[in-house]
Amino acid sequence: DTEVTQTPKHLVMGMTNKKSLKCEQHMGHRAMYWYKQKAKKPPELMFVYSYEKLSINESVPSRFSPECPNSSLLNLHLHALQPEDSALYLCASSFRDRDYEQYFGPGTRLTVT
Amino acid sequence: ELKVEQNPLFLSMQEGKNYTIYCNYSTTSDRLYWYRQDPGKSLESLFVLLSNGAVKQEGRLMASLDTKARLSTLHITAAVHDLSATYFCAGPHDMRFGAGTRLTVKP
Repeated sequence: DTEVTQTPKHLVMGMTNKKSLKCEQHMGHRAMYWYKQKAKKPPELMFVYSYEKLSINESVPSRFSPECPNSSLLNLHLHALQPEDSALYLCASSFRDRDYEQYFGPGTRLTVT
Repeated sequence: ELKVEQNPLFLSMQEGKNYTIYCNYSTTSDRLYWYRQDPGKSLESLFVLLSNGAVKQEGRLMASLDTKARLSTLHITAAVHDLSATYFCAGPHDMRFGAGTRLTVKP
């Protein structure tokens, strides 16, 4: 299995809602990542988990809260988002932290109304 | 902090022509990655370049890495329409991506 899966594919939420994005991989990778990508821009790294521990938080606002319950799962909890948070959220995984090729999931397209 | 610069940002090519995309980066790095992204889709890993002088080829695409010059190139040979996409280079460690090169191949 060489796939990273993400759910949901699309999400529309209001500014007062709480929602979660989910990412899963079964490749035995020990590093997982969240990226945010705005239209016509490159992906921006948000968080890195290495061996289920948060190793990088790129100064992301606290309304985004990551969680890594086990080595195969990565969640991104969303609360009180702003319209400017609307973007494609990509999950990725790699064999080890950062110095290895990353495998990307299909992404969740988030719209905040 | 690693900075990654790509050029050109936009590239319109005719089918059958050759061209090169350049990726310069700011600090010492012994590896570099190339990704492809189709419109509305996720990123697909194309090449992983792990050492100075590394050269990898897949079909009409060839990537190389010169760590002394801090330069990677992605060369397109005899372009076809299917290669139309956005191509990103990225450095390791903090996974900084270049701005991307939006390639359009026209008949």
